[in-house]
Amino acid sequence: DIQMTQSPSSLSASVGDRVTITCRASQIIRRFLNWYQQKPGKAPKLLIYATSSLQGGVPSRFSGSGSGTDFTLTISSLQPDDFATYYCQQSHSTPWTFGQGTKVEIK
Amino acid sequence: EVQLVESGGGLVQPGGSLRLSCAVSGFTVSSNYMTWVRQAPGKGLEWLSVIYGDGNTYYADSVKGRFTTSRDNSRNTLYLQMDSLRAEDTAVYYCAKCLSYAFDIWGQGTMVTVSS
Repeated sequence: DIQMTQSPSSLSASVGDRVTITCRASQIIRRFLNWYQQKPGKAPKLLIYATSSLQGGVPSRFSGSGSGTDFTLTISSLQPDDFATYYCQQSHSTPWTFGQGTKVEIK
Repeated sequence: EVQLVESGGGLVQPGGSLRLSCAVSGFTVSSNYMTWVRQAPGKGLEWLSVIYGDGNTYYADSVKGRFTTSRDNSRNTLYLQMDSLRAEDTAVYYCAKCLSYAFDIWGQGTMVTVSS
């Protein structure tokens, strides 16, 4: 199975900060990497699919990059609505797997 | 409107069974990959299964042999049959639609508690 490791597990940031979350796969997954945002008590929301494609309706301050085994989610200017937990997920091969999550908190 | 609505969760004893339903509107279940994901209290997301358009299914090792994903095309509904339930299966269960191998539309989730 492909293991997904996110870092950091949590971070504190201020509104307006640039935030970067990384995700590493235990083997090459090409560009089959997706990012989700989840707020407490809510279902996850797809932000980015296939490494860098922005899902419809998602603000352009979110971006994704990477390939192979190393991937990055960047929030260019953190907004109050962005405080949440973020998950990466590989869809290269079943069993599809998620990272453990990164909680973005207010500094 | 595209919508997924899960139902069927509840309290069940260890070793028991439960069937979750995911009623779909706004698109056709049989024409899409559909998946189940769960989240234990205070924990991260865990992918459980996928059913492809051709009906093939794949499962996470943690539920293989105990859980079965199926669909009823006439009802446009996805199911998750859960047998031999364990305490560690306690979680919120989500169904989701797949697009480009990502989960683009999610239900609201249904809670399953396995306890005596």
